[in-house]
Amino acid sequence: QPVLTQSSSASASLGSSVKLTCTLSSGHSSYIIAWHQQQPGKAPRYLMKLEGSGSYNKGSGVPDRFSGSSSGADRYLTISNLQSEDEADYYCETWDSNTHVFGGGTKLTVL
Amino acid sequence: EVQLVESGGGLVQPGRSLRLSCAASGFTFDDYAMHWVRQAPGKGLEWVSGISWNSGSIGYADSVKGRFTISRDNAKNSLYLQMNSLRAEDTALYYCAKSDYWGQGTLVTVSS
Repeated sequence: QPVLTQSSSASASLGSSVKLTCTLSSGHSSYIIAWHQQQPGKAPRYLMKLEGSGSYNKGSGVPDRFSGSSSGADRYLTISNLQSEDEADYYCETWDSNTHVFGGGTKLTVL
Repeated sequence: EVQLVESGGGLVQPGRSLRLSCAASGFTFDDYAMHWVRQAPGKGLEWVSGISWNSGSIGYADSVKGRFTISRDNAKNSLYLQMNSLRAEDTALYYCAKSDYWGQGTLVTVSS
């Protein structure tokens, strides 16, 4: 079963860019993942599905400022032109057979 | 517009049972696998269970295996989670989720 590792926190300034990382465990580097955003006090929101090739498909209404990329076992979420509403927890998710797993989440602070 | 509306949460004593429901609308329900995901207070997301479009494939997290049962009724566009032998550590906000949409959650509190 795959394991996803995320940094617990990140911070960046308003208007800047930030790149969040989700790392797949050994033997699972080709797996597709999904990124989800959870703003404070709200339900999660699906952002995108991201393949090992770096190809991604965003959810409905997700701003162009959000993009994805991949390198080996690492999956990235890049947020450009950071806005105050981007301050949130970001989770990656993957799946194998009948099991899904989430990373521990990264708390993004917009300074 | 896709909507997923959970219900059935509440306060329940340890060892008792509870059944959660999720009413789906705005998409062709029987085309999609569905999931339950929970979030304990102040914690991250934990996948609980998932079911394929035709109920032919079902999975559970180890933490709930043997106690929880997922099911769906495609005629009613509804997803269910039967939770038995509830424990304090099952206290969480339970979300119904399609791969790309989430409900607002229903709170389950297990306490005497």
